[in-house]
Amino acid sequence: DIQMTQSPSSLSASVGDRVTITCRASQSINTYLNWYQQKPGQAPNLLIYAASSLQSGVPSRFSGSGSGTAFTLTISSLQPEDFATYYCQQSYSYPRTFGQGTKLEIK
Amino acid sequence: QVTLRQSGPALVKPTQTLTLTCTFSGFSLSTTGMCVSWIRQPPGKALEWLALIDWDDDKYYSTSLKTRLTISKDSSKNQVVLTMNNMDPVDTATYYCARYRGYDSYFDYWGQGTLVTVSS
Repeated sequence: DIQMTQSPSSLSASVGDRVTITCRASQSINTYLNWYQQKPGQAPNLLIYAASSLQSGVPSRFSGSGSGTAFTLTISSLQPEDFATYYCQQSYSYPRTFGQGTKLEIK
Repeated sequence: QVTLRQSGPALVKPTQTLTLTCTFSGFSLSTTGMCVSWIRQPPGKALEWLALIDWDDDKYYSTSLKTRLTISKDSSKNQVVLTMNNMDPVDTATYYCARYRGYDSYFDYWGQGTLVTVSS
């Protein structure tokens, strides 16, 4: 199985900050990497697919980059509604796997 | 409009078999490239992928749980069923079904989830 490791596990930041979350795969996954946002009590919501493609309807302050084994999710200017947990997920091979999540909290 | 809804028991006893149904609308599981998957999330913990079935009836399972899981579909009813046998309290979680676009390789629509508690 491909292991996905996110860092940090939690992060405190302020409105307006630029934030970067990292996801590393245990082997190369090309650009088969997706990012999801999950708010308490809600299902995850797709933000970024194929490492860097913005899902329709997602604000442009979200961006993704990377290939191979190292990926990043960047939020350029945090908004109050961005405080949530973020997950990466690989679609390179079965079984599909998720990272352990990064909880973004208000400082 | 794509929607998915999970249904099943909220409480199961240890050693019992869990049967969950995902009823969806807005797409067909007979369409090439369409898939439905199950993902779970224990309280306060991370997402865990469980199983996926595709338009061609190919099935894929979590390595650690594959001996306990069975996924099936009824395309005429727009339903996907997941069974998990020998339930244990550690299987307590919110279970989600989600649409997976096979050629695009992402989960784009999710159900709201259903909490299953395993307790005697």
